[in-house]
Parts: sequence; C-alpha cells; structure tokens
Amino acid sequence: GNSVTQMEGPVTLSEEAFLTINCTYTATGYPSLFWYVQYPGEGLQLLLKATKADDKGSNKGFEATYRKETTSFHLEKGSVQVSDSAVYFCALSDRPSASKIIFGSGTRLSIRP
Amino acid sequence: EAGVAQSPRYKIIEKRQSVAFWCNPISGHATLYWYQQILGQGPKLLIQFQNNGVVDDSQLPKDRFSAERLKGVDSTLKIQPAKLEDSAVYLCASMLRGVGNEQFFGPGTRLTVL
Repeated sequence: GNSVTQMEGPVTLSEEAFLTINCTYTATGYPSLFWYVQYPGEGLQLLLKATKADDKGSNKGFEATYRKETTSFHLEKGSVQVSDSAVYFCALSDRPSASKIIFGSGTRLSIRP
Repeated sequence: EAGVAQSPRYKIIEKRQSVAFWCNPISGHATLYWYQQILGQGPKLLIQFQNNGVVDDSQLPKDRFSAERLKGVDSTLKIQPAKLEDSAVYLCASMLRGVGNEQFFGPGTRLTVL
C-alpha cells in the first residue's frame, strides 16, 4: 500500500544552519505530496505541497521538490530560525484528486539560538 | 475566519469507561475528518465525512469507536469502552470541498486512558 518514510528525529541545529529533512514515498500512480508542520501547542498546518513530478513547493523559506525518479520530497531551508522549531510531517494523497492523506511519522526539529 | 474547534483539549479516563470528543469545522467546509495520532507517529485517518455521509471508515475500530455528523456541520467521536492503547491525540480536520484542497486541523484532544 501507499506509505511515507521520513528521517527520524529529533534533529537539533544551530540558528542559521542549513536544514534537510528527508522524505521518501511508496505509491501507485501519481500522488500529491505535502509537508505539514505542527508548532508547539498548535494544530497541524500545511507548509507546502506539490502535485506533479518536478514541481517545487515553497513557503516561509522552506522548499521541497517532487522527484518521481527517486520517489522523494525532501524538505530544505537555507537558514533556520528558532521559530522553526516544530514537528514536520511528510504526507501524500494517493491520487492528485483524492482527499485522503497518509502521513509519515514526523520529525521533531529543535533550533538552538 | 474561525478555525476548527475541538473540545475538550484534554481528557483522562480509566479503561472501560466511555468518552466523547466534539468538533466544529470551519463554516462551509463540507468534508470532515477524524484522525488518531499516537505519540511518536503521524496522524492516522479514522473516518471521513462528506456533509453528513461517511466516505471512508475503513480504519475505524467499529467495535468500540463511533462517529456521527448530524446536519453536516459539527461532529462527535465516541469511544466505548476505552482501552489503554486508545491513549492518543484525536485530531479533527475540515476541507472546503471533497478533493484537492487544503485540510485545516483543529488543536486536538489529548486522551489518556489509565
């Protein structure tokens, strides 16, 4: 079945460091891919998405590119801030038009001042 | 615009007791979801409603879990009787249309079963 695998945390970085959180997926067909973020004490929020191969999603300085050849959707940011400390979830919907989302297990990110 | 509301935020019960969670989605959102998020895992879909009809409840443990969405607006998720392994955060989300749009999540209800 469809699934998402993301790098285990926690990930601890210093402020202004470069961030990569790896995500790979298994799916039939052409899923849409998402990154969701959960800040402390808050609900899940959509961070960015990509709906087809080679699309790049971006938001708040974060980027991820839909790579069909490597079935990956790695999250990157060039210079992290303390306010980026959160749990990040990679996710997919099993078809571009589908409304059901499958989540990865999450990666906790902590940024040191 | 008000977000997805959930209550209570926290609940502690003993095993074999029953519990209910309430969700009020964003106004006008036809699709409503309930997820279970066990500590250290990603959210797992329990049930999806489109208006007041069930679209997907394939992962809902129907022997103890039930959910309803009367009048296609707010929704209630019930567990009866609760087990220790039901300890989790229960998330409600809503979406404007049936497909292709962003899901908006509530803050969740943290359930502890002792």
